[in-house]
Amino acid sequence: DAMVIQNPRYQVTQFGKPVTLSCSQTLNHNVMYWYQQKSSQAPKLLFHYYDKDFNNEADTPDNFQSRRPNTSFCFLDIRSPGLGDAAMYLCATKGAGGSNEQFFGPGTRLTVL
Amino acid sequence: QQQVKQSPQSLIVQKGGISIINCAYENTAFDYFPWYQQFPGKGPALLIAIRPDVSEKKEGRFTISFNKSAKQFSLHIMDSQPGDSATYFCAVWAGNDYKLSFGAGTTVTVRA
Repeated sequence: DAMVIQNPRYQVTQFGKPVTLSCSQTLNHNVMYWYQQKSSQAPKLLFHYYDKDFNNEADTPDNFQSRRPNTSFCFLDIRSPGLGDAAMYLCATKGAGGSNEQFFGPGTRLTVL
Repeated sequence: QQQVKQSPQSLIVQKGGISIINCAYENTAFDYFPWYQQFPGKGPALLIAIRPDVSEKKEGRFTISFNKSAKQFSLHIMDSQPGDSATYFCAVWAGNDYKLSFGAGTTVTVRA
């Protein structure tokens, strides 16, 4: 089945230790998104790619970086995680055609000790 | 600035009852209004969506009502079931920037 896959599902890191979360998709969608979702809150968009074009949200901290080496993969790098970065990180994709539906992965739960 | 305001924050309904969640927006440029359903520990999934050229869309037990002049839309869950217990997010989309803006979410609990 075509899908959005996130690895790992659970990630534990230490305060200040860099961490990378990964997302892959078999949908061949042009657009990929990274969201941060804290408990009982809505997903908050961090950035998105349209193909290789990177679009950063104005309020996304510099601590968060992203890479998209090819259509299928996208990475979220957190350079120096703080306790406030503990959250669910969601990857989503969207095709460039008429459908506006975003397809979400299952998320990676990040714990910062 | 929140692009869409969602209410209530939570609601409890008995099995078989109707759940109603409301959203309001300001920007008339929005042209796609989806509802996403999210279960604990899972990513959101599209439940139902509407475009502003229709006033109502129904898929099974789920209905979106859309009032363009009032800039409001709502989700109705008919014959609510315990399996509908989840968090529901409305969202708005303006086609030119490829971004969804989510409401704050409504946690629905259906009691058996």
